[in-house]
Amino acid sequence: QKEVEQDPGPLSVPEGAIVSLNCTYSNSAFQYFMWYRQYSRKGPELLMYTYSSGNKEDGRFTAQVDKSSKYISLFIRDSQPSDSATYLCAMSESGAGSYQLTFGKGTKLSVIP
Amino acid sequence: GAVVSQHPSWVICKSGTSVKIECRSLDFQATTMFWYRQFPKQSLMLMATSNEGSKATYEQGVEKDKFLINHASLTLSTLTVTSAHPEDSSFYICSAGDGYTFGSGTRLTVV
Repeated sequence: QKEVEQDPGPLSVPEGAIVSLNCTYSNSAFQYFMWYRQYSRKGPELLMYTYSSGNKEDGRFTAQVDKSSKYISLFIRDSQPSDSATYLCAMSESGAGSYQLTFGKGTKLSVIP
Repeated sequence: GAVVSQHPSWVICKSGTSVKIECRSLDFQATTMFWYRQFPKQSLMLMATSNEGSKATYEQGVEKDKFLINHASLTLSTLTVTSAHPEDSSFYICSAGDGYTFGSGTRLTVV
């Protein structure tokens, strides 16, 4: 069993839809959870950073962490064509500067105008 | 915010040659930088942790003699792929500072 599982998609939605992206994990020591957006042939860009369980909202993006279920989600409201990218979840046992991030494979999202 | 610059963004080399990739922290000093590799439709996999002024720490299965890392200053780490082969073709990405900020990546194609 891989440490982090993420449905690779592809996922195609109409503009304005609510998008739900998810990851599950097996390592109960993970405490820091991130979502990245990666455009084709570019480095990943940090979207959301969450510590432990709970919700975090930033504009159209909401990140949820349920440590009891080892499940994290990213919701995108009012999706736009510019949101079309690959979304990667990542997690680590320790916080900033420490180091090892474990990534999911990424979900490729297309938002159709 | 922190900016990490990577150069070149794309390189093609012949099999058997060496290629150097640079990772720079532009507006901060980074005692630690990280090198990742990403194959198509795969996760980013950590290759090594680069420490300024000391030897890099390599992840299991990564050949340290093939992937030479030098972190000679607080703003620059380099990854040299030695005697490159087609199977080394991949997307190489560095991160620095808090470990969450990534460079734009280098696509290496070995022919």
